[in-house]
Amino acid sequence: GQNIDQPTEMTATEGAIVQINCTYQTSGFNGLFWYQQHAGEAPTFLSYNVLDGLEEKGRFSSFLSRSKGYSYLLLKELQMKDSASYLCAVRGSRTNNRKLIWGLGTSLAVNP
Amino acid sequence: ETGVTQTPRHLVMGMTNKKSLKCEQHLGHNAMYWYKQSAKKPLELMFVYSLEERVENNSVPSRFSPECPNSSHLFLHLHTLQPEDSALYLCASSQDSQELFEQYFGPGTRLTVT
Repeated sequence: GQNIDQPTEMTATEGAIVQINCTYQTSGFNGLFWYQQHAGEAPTFLSYNVLDGLEEKGRFSSFLSRSKGYSYLLLKELQMKDSASYLCAVRGSRTNNRKLIWGLGTSLAVNP
Repeated sequence: ETGVTQTPRHLVMGMTNKKSLKCEQHLGHNAMYWYKQSAKKPLELMFVYSLEERVENNSVPSRFSPECPNSSHLFLHLHTLQPEDSALYLCASSQDSQELFEQYFGPGTRLTVT
């Protein structure tokens, strides 16, 4: 079967760094996405990794290791507004770029 | 309006009612999606339309009926729903190419079936 695992909840302190992990087992792999979803709002795209390594975008970075089926999202200089759910999703097929396999999401609470 | 909009934002309906959810994207995208988001479950892809043609239907019960009259609009017609259909229904769009693939989501319709 196809599966994506993420921690259910995490807590961190304002100004700190937090790493949210995602492991996946899929029949194919053609890219991994991270989305942020605030309560009651739409998921918004954060990052995309298709090759191994680290992609940095401001305070957010995302890492991928295809051989390990592993990714993480790194959030630096945490702010209260970063409290949200973080969704990991994998595109399993090269020919079907529309279908994503989604994790349950990690609910991050940032405390003052 | 920018991005992806959905109406209504909240809907309460009885099991015998018929209602429709509406989605509109202002991004010039070619593909549109319906997702169901329930507590403690991953996002479930329901339908995908590409250039107004349905290209994916993930074993969704027939009480959900999608319609895509053009590449900017997507509807989800609901009839004789069950209480377990209560969820957040999200619409999304994407450029539908191998290179431009991230999906842009609307705010969702919170549906409660009584």
